[in-house]
Amino acid sequence: EVQLVESGGGLVQPGGSLRLSCIASGFSLSDYWMNWVRQVPDKGLEWVAHNKEDGTEEYYVDSVRGRFTISRDNAKNLVYLQMNYLRGEDTAVYYCARPTRGNDWYYDLWGRGTLVIVSS
Amino acid sequence: DIQMTQSPSSLSASVGDRVTITCRASQNIGIFLNWYQQRPGKAPSPLIYTASNLHSGVPSRFSGSGAGTDFTLTISGLQPEDFATYYCQQSSVTRPYTFGQGTKLE
Repeated sequence: EVQLVESGGGLVQPGGSLRLSCIASGFSLSDYWMNWVRQVPDKGLEWVAHNKEDGTEEYYVDSVRGRFTISRDNAKNLVYLQMNYLRGEDTAVYYCARPTRGNDWYYDLWGRGTLVIVSS
Repeated sequence: DIQMTQSPSSLSASVGDRVTITCRASQNIGIFLNWYQQRPGKAPSPLIYTASNLHSGVPSRFSGSGAGTDFTLTISGLQPEDFATYYCQQSSVTRPYTFGQGTKLE
């Protein structure tokens, strides 16, 4: 079955760190840019980061650049999001999302999400 | 950043109605506009890509149009399962790939 499953969320204090994982099954991660998208509970969606098929390029939304790092292990079909210096405004459900390939891309596959709560 | 503005933020409708949701981009994004549906407690699911193309398996009562800065999502003949929140997203070459704030259909 083609799917994405996130893990690693939880409660963390402000200033703390957390690493999210996303395991892909049913397809080869090395064929796709992979993305993290987050959603504050009962609020809208925000694109967070993505990295290239071979992991050599990565891009971030301004609010997380310098604090978050996206990486991947294609051999294990895993994508990671290392989150450091966490803030209250990082509290959200974090989704792993796969885009289609090509210029006319869109997210055709989403995980169920993992909840991150930043609170003291 | 490209700002995406959806209207209305919420919409009341009944089964069988025809509804239209609009999405406006703060700059020209060509046809690089996607629509997603999100039901409570679930991840978003794709509906329409590049403004007017239906994702595989999406019922034909959903349609999209527009180009440049103004886009619409239309649902013709609402079904009970269509009551959800809808988001637009720009997928142009300009990062970040911003989403609209959502339209809750109730």
